Amino acid sequence: DAKTTQPTSMDCAEGRAANLPCNHSTISGNEYVYWYRQIHSQGPQYIIHGLKNNETNEMASLIITEDRKSSTLILPHATLRDTAVYYCIVRVANQAGTALIFGKGTTLSVSS
Amino acid sequence: SQTIHQWPATLVQPVGSPLSLECTVEGTSNPNLYWYRQAAGRGLQLLFYSVGIGQISSEVPQNLSASRPQDRQFILSSKKLLLSDSGFYLCARRDYGGEQYFGPGTRLTVT
Repeated sequence: DAKTTQPTSMDCAEGRAANLPCNHSTISGNEYVYWYRQIHSQGPQYIIHGLKNNETNEMASLIITEDRKSSTLILPHATLRDTAVYYCIVRVANQAGTALIFGKGTTLSVSS
Repeated sequence: SQTIHQWPATLVQPVGSPLSLECTVEGTSNPNLYWYRQAAGRGLQLLFYSVGIGQISSEVPQNLSASRPQDRQFILSSKKLLLSDSGFYLCARRDYGGEQYFGPGTRLTVT
């Protein structure tokens, strides 16, 4: 899996957009960008993934740069419940027997 | 639906006692299933994964075992628990895009 770099922590006001960056300059052509989060004392939660096009679902949007060397996860209207550690992972989609490896991630703190 | 059920939610067991954790999943048939363990403040450790009924691959040699008796059922077991088995046990399924969905987890404390 390609290495990713994320800021250690970020703050966001409730109701504002939270933009979480991730650098993955060594990404290979067949590797996807996945985002997960883990709220304290809960299991990880899948958020979104993409290959090269921007993606949007009910939780978030994923913006991937044209050279694919970085991406941004956008939570359009952050709430207190979005306070969590966010992990950016780059890996090939069809890896049935390999573990997800979470780095240190970004701790997002949403405050009122 | 990607719902994953795990029980029990919490468990306190003495050293040397047996263990059985159950995971059931909803959704498409023949899912790829995983058992992970997460120690406090640590990352995920893959314990077992299964691509189908009766097919189990072990990633870490230890006193745990897994079984998949039905398509949507994945069981983690131990005959004799060790103190080092304490942790947060997570069941997950992998979807076609490679993303993994996790259950609520079982927090095991071995005393």
